[in-house]
Amino acid sequence: GEDVEQSLFLSVREGDSSVINCTYTDSSSTYLYWYKQEPGAGLQLLTYIFSNMDMKQDQRLTVLLNKKDKHLSLRIADTQTGDSAIYFCAEGGDSGYALNFGKGTSLLVTP
Amino acid sequence: EAQVTQNPRYLITVTGKKLTVTCSQNMNHEYMSWYRQDPGLGLRQIYYSMNVEVTDKGDVPEGYKVSRKEKRNFPLILESPSPNQTSLYFCATRTSGALRAFFGQGTRLTVV
Repeated sequence: GEDVEQSLFLSVREGDSSVINCTYTDSSSTYLYWYKQEPGAGLQLLTYIFSNMDMKQDQRLTVLLNKKDKHLSLRIADTQTGDSAIYFCAEGGDSGYALNFGKGTSLLVTP
Repeated sequence: EAQVTQNPRYLITVTGKKLTVTCSQNMNHEYMSWYRQDPGLGLRQIYYSMNVEVTDKGDVPEGYKVSRKEKRNFPLILESPSPNQTSLYFCATRTSGALRAFFGQGTRLTVV
């Protein structure tokens, strides 16, 4: 599939903001997603953004999309130890069902 | 409650011994797929199915088979497992027009 790139690790202190970045190559992507995977668990959808939007906010989560640069970011405000997990960026087209995932960013939140 | 159930959750087997990992969903979703997750490689799609009796290869189909005889079930079959198929496997389902994919809890397979 098309490439979706993420940095592999991020470490932040509890209470700080976390920003996880993602770049993608498929300009036909209709939706971009952030999934969270806690240890020993499957993936849970955190949030998504439609490709004609620039920003979406949902409580502590802010998603920014720069479609021109094909750059997506997830900001977690007031990061807590319970936010420690692997975060996957994924992109999907309108006609297909397949999701193309990045390799995941491991977020470690330290007290 | 919406559920995607995979079995088994953990499996250790020997090279060449056929095995099946089952996936069952209770949401009447048309689309089901299998992914494998490996360190440093993220999730890669193995096979997917758009509906009953319709299956197609994903990015890494070699060494795997699937079937979709019923809408709710999508088993993953390894006819002759090899150590390079040691991985964490996820089943996912989605319905037409929906944004969200539901994932199973994962099956950790070790082939020795």
